[in-house]
Amino acid sequence: AQSVAQPEDQVNVAEGNPLTVKCTYSVSGNPYLFWYVQYPNRGLQFLLKYITGDNLVKGSYGFEAEFNKSQTSFHLKKPSALVSDSALYFCAVKGLGGANNLFFGTGTRLTVIP
Amino acid sequence: GAVVSQHPSRVICKSGTSVKIECRSLDFQATTMFWYRQFPKQSLMLMATSNEGSKATYEQGVEKDKFLINHASLTLSTLTVTSAHPEDSSFYICSARGAGGAYEQYFGPGTRLTVT
Repeated sequence: AQSVAQPEDQVNVAEGNPLTVKCTYSVSGNPYLFWYVQYPNRGLQFLLKYITGDNLVKGSYGFEAEFNKSQTSFHLKKPSALVSDSALYFCAVKGLGGANNLFFGTGTRLTVIP
Repeated sequence: GAVVSQHPSRVICKSGTSVKIECRSLDFQATTMFWYRQFPKQSLMLMATSNEGSKATYEQGVEKDKFLINHASLTLSTLTVTSAHPEDSSFYICSARGAGGAYEQYFGPGTRLTVT
């Protein structure tokens, strides 16, 4: 079965510092991986995805993620955090084969401290 | 592009009544729509997947007679919570996926349901 794990419930980072939100995956076959962000009382916003190709994927709002097959990781990164980046971040993996559904991690709350 | 709307954003209803939530893809045709439920400080739980013109596929443990899903067109899916009870109070989020090879889903803003 496919799944993703987000080992940190909470990440705090000072404004202007680089941030990393961790995600590891477990999937048979090639993974299709996604990052989403959720602001309070809102739906999820798509940030970026990895399907194939370059291991470093660039997405919205200056975020990027690095696909690492040997470590089965897909960590989300940003070189310089903004206070407005404070939100809940979800990693997700697509279901196998023709399945369209996504399996989400438990989420990581990012707080950027001014 | 890829905007999904949900209506209503917030609803309060009495126990025993039914509530309908609409999910619309505004600028693309959604061949597949998904309904999720999110509890406070928890991840999204997939409830069901619906393809336009066919019956929804429900996840294990989700009562299909209680959570009625209709995907009548390529831009509209509805979730009806029938005979609502306080334990149905939650944040319901829909998402849509277009045709083709793009696998990402685009999410609506969510509906906060409170059953009193």
